[in-house]
Amino acid sequence: DIQMTQSPSSVSASVGDSITITCRASQTISRYLNWYQQKPGKAPKLLIYTSSSLQSGAPSRFSGSGSGTDFTLTISSLQPEDSASYYCQQSYNTPFTFGPGTKVNI
Amino acid sequence: QVQLQESGPGLVKPSETLSLTCTVTGGSISSQYWNWIRQAPAKGLEWIGYISESGSTNYNPSLKSRVTMSVDTSKNQFSLKLTSVTAADTAVYYCARRVTPDRFDIWGQGTMVSVSS
Repeated sequence: DIQMTQSPSSVSASVGDSITITCRASQTISRYLNWYQQKPGKAPKLLIYTSSSLQSGAPSRFSGSGSGTDFTLTISSLQPEDSASYYCQQSYNTPFTFGPGTKVNI
Repeated sequence: QVQLQESGPGLVKPSETLSLTCTVTGGSISSQYWNWIRQAPAKGLEWIGYISESGSTNYNPSLKSRVTMSVDTSKNQFSLKLTSVTAADTAVYYCARRVTPDRFDIWGQGTMVSVSS
């Protein structure tokens, strides 16, 4: 299985700040990397797919980059509603695997 | 707009079988891959497997021996069975649609299943 790691595990920031979350795969996954946002008691919501494509309906302050084994999710101009956990997920092969998550506190 | 809704018992006894159904509304179950994903309390996300409209399946090897998925296109539903459950199977179970390029774009709200006697 491809193991996914994320850093940091949690981050605190203020409204208007920019933050970057890193995701690393245990082997190369090309650009097959997705990002999800999950708020407490809710299902995950797709934000970014294939490393850098913005999912329809996701705010443009979310952006992704990377290829191979190293990827980043950047949230620019943080808003109060961005307080959530963020998960990366590889779709390079099965079993699909997720990172452990990064909790963002605003 | 496609929506997914999980249904099934919220409590299952150890060693018994967990059975869940996901109903697809607002669209057809055809031409997509339908997935089950779970999240143990305060834990991360674990992909369980998927089934296509034609019934082809792909299961996570960690659960493969205990998992069976099925699809009923006439009812626009797909289902999950997990046998011989233990407390470790306690989780919120989500159904989700996978589209190309591979990503889970639509999720159900999730259903909590507890394994306890």
